[in-house]
Amino acid sequence: QAVVTQEPSLTVSPGGTVTLTCGSSTGAVTSGHFTYWFQQKPGQTPMTLIYDTTNKRSWTPARFSGSLLGGKAALTLSGALPEDEAEYYCLLSYSGVRVFGGGTKLTVL
Amino acid sequence: QVQLVQSGAEVRKPGASVKVSCKASGYIFTSYAIHWVRQAPGQRLEWMGRINAGNGDTKYSRKFQGRVTITRDTSASTAYMELTSLTSQDTSVYYCAEEYFEHWGQGTLVTVSS
Repeated sequence: QAVVTQEPSLTVSPGGTVTLTCGSSTGAVTSGHFTYWFQQKPGQTPMTLIYDTTNKRSWTPARFSGSLLGGKAALTLSGALPEDEAEYYCLLSYSGVRVFGGGTKLTVL
Repeated sequence: QVQLVQSGAEVRKPGASVKVSCKASGYIFTSYAIHWVRQAPGQRLEWMGRINAGNGDTKYSRKFQGRVTITRDTSASTAYMELTSLTSQDTSVYYCAEEYFEHWGQGTLVTVSS
């Protein structure tokens, strides 16, 4: 089974920009992995921010965007707010079998 | 509105099995798959498997293959996840989610303890 890799932790200053990445042990992440990005705050259910690599949910703040970058999926946060401090997970699809990354703890400080 | 309502918390002894339900409403149940995801305390999310609610086709994570069975009852608009041979490592919150992860159940805490 594939292993999906994320940065364990990242820190961003308020108003700053940060990019979280999501890599696959099987090679480059492509649009065919139908990448999802989730935000999870302590004690809460995960919430989808991005689906199918680049698409936003109706509730996704405009400061979040998804892309493919250097063979990985990427989630970019531009103009970080204190409320963006959370755990972020990516999810990749391998012919319908999904695998979560280990999560990135994002600190806004 | 779409809702996924899960069954209540469970406590099991090591070696036992648990079956968690996920009742869907607000949409045509057979139109979308249901995923099952778990999260141990303080740990990462783990995808366990999913069922096509229309034809019953299933896919499972290799980690849980042989121990997990996902089924559905279309007449009750309910999906089920059964996990066998439980150990303390299976103590987790178990979530169901609809096919596109737009809607999630509230989570079911399963505690495995002797």
